[in-house]
Amino acid sequence: GESVGLHLPTLSVQEGDNSIINCAYSNSASDYFIWYKQESGKGPQFIIDIRSNMDKRQGQRVTVLLNKTVKHLSLQIAATQPGDSAVYFCAENRPLSNTGKLIFGQGTTLQVKP
Amino acid sequence: NAGVMQNPRHLVRRRGQEARLRCSPMKGHSHVYWYRQLPEEGLKFMVYLQKENIIDESGMPKERFSAEFPKEGPSILRIQQVVRGDSAAYFCASSPEVGGGYTFGSGTRLTVV
Repeated sequence: GESVGLHLPTLSVQEGDNSIINCAYSNSASDYFIWYKQESGKGPQFIIDIRSNMDKRQGQRVTVLLNKTVKHLSLQIAATQPGDSAVYFCAENRPLSNTGKLIFGQGTTLQVKP
Repeated sequence: NAGVMQNPRHLVRRRGQEARLRCSPMKGHSHVYWYRQLPEEGLKFMVYLQKENIIDESGMPKERFSAEFPKEGPSILRIQQVVRGDSAAYFCASSPEVGGGYTFGSGTRLTVV
């Protein structure tokens, strides 16, 4: 089965609050992780990535945390806005594949209430 | 930079017909990936190609599906004798190198009736 999964299928937050989206992976050899955002009717859009030699990386309003001990990845969105409403996917790259193939999780729907 | 271009955006085919999906990668990108997304699901890898070469087709169904990325022109994902179960969104992505993130196109939504 899929080795990348998300804990919650839907997350509902109030506008202005912080959002945390979680992801679990099972392959300890995975060395590269990406978060994508997908709006309805569109293709996945890159948000942020992190390599396995790091445990935290920050972007604009987003932070990705990687806990290799428990094989857990999270995406934090600060001051969530209505435009953040979308489905969020984590993806992992397994180095042994050597082809850049990404394994995607099932996705978490983020709903932002005004 | 126009990004990854996919066409058509929507494609309707009757069972038994052929579907041809096209993908033009970003300028300077020589690595192309195809993914399939069923409703309410994540993306599933299908195939990875470089110019004139199929590198990894481990996600491609054994029959009816084929892909190419010729020296000139777009990458093509071809589905012969389509069945209702082929109905999905098909996304193409490209990258300048292996091992990093890549840019997705807007997808082709195939509906088989």
